[in-house]
Amino acid sequence: QKEVEQDPGPLSVPEGAIVSLNCTYSNSAFQYFMWYRQYSRKGPELLMYTYSSGNKEDGRFTAQVDKSSKYISLFIRDSQPSDSATYLCAMMVGNEKLTFGTGTRLTIIP
Amino acid sequence: EAGVVQSPRYKIIEKKQPVAFWCNPISGHNTLYWYLQNLGQGPELLIRYENEEAVDDSQLPKDRFSAERLKGVDSTLKIQPAELGDSAVYLCASSSGSETQYFGPGTRLLVL
Repeated sequence: QKEVEQDPGPLSVPEGAIVSLNCTYSNSAFQYFMWYRQYSRKGPELLMYTYSSGNKEDGRFTAQVDKSSKYISLFIRDSQPSDSATYLCAMMVGNEKLTFGTGTRLTIIP
Repeated sequence: EAGVVQSPRYKIIEKKQPVAFWCNPISGHNTLYWYLQNLGQGPELLIRYENEEAVDDSQLPKDRFSAERLKGVDSTLKIQPAELGDSAVYLCASSSGSETQYFGPGTRLLVL
């Protein structure tokens, strides 16, 4: 079993919809939880970062962490075609390596 | 501020040939990472440097892969000899010691 599990999709939604992306993990030692966005042929770009259970909001993006269930989510409100990308969840123990999910490919249909 | 720079962006080689990738991290970032990303997968750590020291190379296949960061700034990752299964994207990332890692655009390797 992988330490981080992520539904690979692909996921297609109409413009303006709310998108929900999810990951589960098995390592209770993970302290930091990130969401990266990766456009085609580009490197991952950090979107959201949190270290505690609960919600963190940044514009149209909300990151949610539930440590008791070992479950994290990213919500995108009012989705735009420019949000079309692969979204990677990632987790870290201390300041060491990131452990990534497989990524979910998202397409927003105009 | 310039981001993480990698070169080349693309490389096509025949199997058994050597290949090298170069990374220049963000200025002032002491920690440098090399990740491997296979198609449809998330990146996986190959090696992590703190300044010149490789502090985690447990996932680096040392029979054919090597890396160096001689002056604690830029870094080179080498594969010799390359195998068909090495076709992937090689990502470099850097951080200032915080939890945030900044990624370069990657080098896309195709081994024929």
